[in-house]
Amino acid sequence: QVQLQQWGAGLLKPSETLSLTCAVYGGSFSGYYYNWIRQSPRKGLEWIGTINDSETTNYNPSLKNRITISVDTSNNQFSLKLSFVTAADTAVYYCARGRLRDFVLWGQGTLVTVSS
Amino acid sequence: DIQMTQSPSPLSASVGDRVTITCRASQSVSSFLNWYQQKPGKAPNLLIYAASSLQSGVPSRFSGSGSGTDFTLTISSLQPEDFATYYCQQSYSIPWTFGQGTRVEI
Repeated sequence: QVQLQQWGAGLLKPSETLSLTCAVYGGSFSGYYYNWIRQSPRKGLEWIGTINDSETTNYNPSLKNRITISVDTSNNQFSLKLSFVTAADTAVYYCARGRLRDFVLWGQGTLVTVSS
Repeated sequence: DIQMTQSPSPLSASVGDRVTITCRASQSVSSFLNWYQQKPGKAPNLLIYAASSLQSGVPSRFSGSGSGTDFTLTISSLQPEDFATYYCQQSYSIPWTFGQGTRVEI
């Protein structure tokens, strides 16, 4: 049974950098697209960006200047960094794996709160 | 960005009802439209991809149709475990965007 397990800091201060990592357990890492998606009451579900095992990335233009998504194929992991966070970045962050255009397998979610 | 608008919200229904949820895109997305189900405290779960293809493991009472700007998700006979929130998502152009959700409630 393939699973995604994610982790990272849940409480940040404004201007800090959000850092989350997601690991794939129990299956092949190659041949898929790896995504970060967040969900908040204010904005609903919001796609952040995607990376594949060739390290090709696509980012949401609204966040592009602050995002870095990277992949570590040797450890079957991928990561998100979001810099200069504000209260507007408070959300549940999900990692998700899929084909190019969908999200089939999701992580458990991480609540990230930005507060001074 | 392509805006996705769902209706109705919320949707009141009973077990055994045939339920239809509508999703409209602000411009054509061809057939690049996915549907997800989300239960409280859980991640979304893919039900339908490419407008009408049933994801593996999803019960056959779920079906999707449409193309261009107008899409529907139909549950042929609502089961107790189907009370949840449903989201559409376009995968025609980046950034991928979601609808605001339709909560199906008793």
